[in-house]
Amino acid sequence: EIVLTQSPGTLSLSPGERATLSCRASQRVSSSYLAWYQQKPGQAPRLLIYGASSRATGIPDRFSGSGSGTDFTLTISRLEPEDFAVYYCQHYVNSRLTFGGGTKVEIK
Amino acid sequence: QVQLVESGGGVVQPGGSLRLSCAASGFTFSSYGIHWVRQAPGKGLEWVTFIRYDGSYTYYADSVKGRFTISRDNSKNTLYLQMNSLRAEDTAVYYCAKDRYSGSDIDYWGQGTLVTVSS
Repeated sequence: EIVLTQSPGTLSLSPGERATLSCRASQRVSSSYLAWYQQKPGQAPRLLIYGASSRATGIPDRFSGSGSGTDFTLTISRLEPEDFAVYYCQHYVNSRLTFGGGTKVEIK
Repeated sequence: QVQLVESGGGVVQPGGSLRLSCAASGFTFSSYGIHWVRQAPGKGLEWVTFIRYDGSYTYYADSVKGRFTISRDNSKNTLYLQMNSLRAEDTAVYYCAKDRYSGSDIDYWGQGTLVTVSS
């Protein structure tokens, strides 16, 4: 079973700063099946990135994804007030999804 | 626009049963697989189960295998989750979620329905 470990657990930043979130897999995974989601309190998650680096429909270009093998990164180039939320990475294998534990991006 | 509306959540005693429904609209329901994903209070996301677009295949997390059953009625654009032998650790918000492509990730989520297992 592949385990996704996200770091840091919490990221304290100011609006306008750059956020770099990490997702590490316990074994090599296919980039085609690595996604990122944003979740705000009381809301359902929203797909940001799929295939490790493709932005979902309507996602601003300040969000970008990269990585391969076991190490993946979600970058928010300049944090907007609405970007403070929890972010999850997710992998797919054998018709099953696995989520990382999440990174909370909070206002410093 | 795509809409997924869950219903059927509530409070149930340990060992009890509950059936969740998810009404879909705004897309060709019969062409897409659907997932159930849950989130325990204050915790992260946990994938529960997936059903292919035609209902031909279903997949389950080990934590619910043998207790939960996913099904769909494409004539009614509705997804179901039958939950039996419920345990306290099944307490969570349950989201139904549309598959983006071949089960690999999720592009639309419902707002969720809360299931509480407690005596």
